Amino acid sequence: GNSVTQMEGPVTLSEEAFLTINCTYTATGYPSLFWYVQYPGEGLQLLLKATKADDKGSNKGFEATYRKETTSFHLEKGSVQVSDSAVYFCALNSGNTPLVFGKGTRLSVIA
Amino acid sequence: DAGVIQSPRHEVTEMGQEVTLRCKPISGHNSLFWYRQTMMRGLELLIYFNNNVPIDDSGMPEDRFSAKMPNASFSTLKIQPSEPRDSAVYFCASSLLAGQETQYFGPGTRLLVL
Repeated sequence: GNSVTQMEGPVTLSEEAFLTINCTYTATGYPSLFWYVQYPGEGLQLLLKATKADDKGSNKGFEATYRKETTSFHLEKGSVQVSDSAVYFCALNSGNTPLVFGKGTRLSVIA
Repeated sequence: DAGVIQSPRHEVTEMGQEVTLRCKPISGHNSLFWYRQTMMRGLELLIYFNNNVPIDDSGMPEDRFSAKMPNASFSTLKIQPSEPRDSAVYFCASSLLAGQETQYFGPGTRLLVL
């Protein structure tokens, strides 16, 4: 079945540091891949997505590239801000099935 | 446009009481999802609907949980009787279709069962 594995948190970084959150997946067919972000006290919201191999999703300075050869979709940002502190979820779906989420990675950015 | 609307935002109740959570999906969306989030178990899909029809309820933890979608603009998740271990944040989400589509989440209902 479909599954997503993302790095365990929490991750604590200083402002302006480089961020990588690893995500690998197992899926049948050709999944679409997503990163969602959950700010404190809020629901999840879509951060970026990619629908086919080698696509790069980007938003708010975050990027992730759909790597079929390594079944990965790592999230990166070159310079994090305090306002990026949140929980980040990697997710996928394929066919007509709902999203399958990873367990989430909590990021704390300190000034 | 209004996003997914959930009510109440917070609910405190005593063990044994009935709890009803409500959700209004985004207009035009055909799929609706109910999730539960806890520190211990993370984000769990409880049930989802396509065109108001329940498709998969395998995530519903027990018979105490039930969900309905009487029309395209309204869904409920009911817990009867409630127990302290039901304390969690419950999210509703909607999307155009269940597969290959972005889900839009509501703000959640924070439930505390004493």
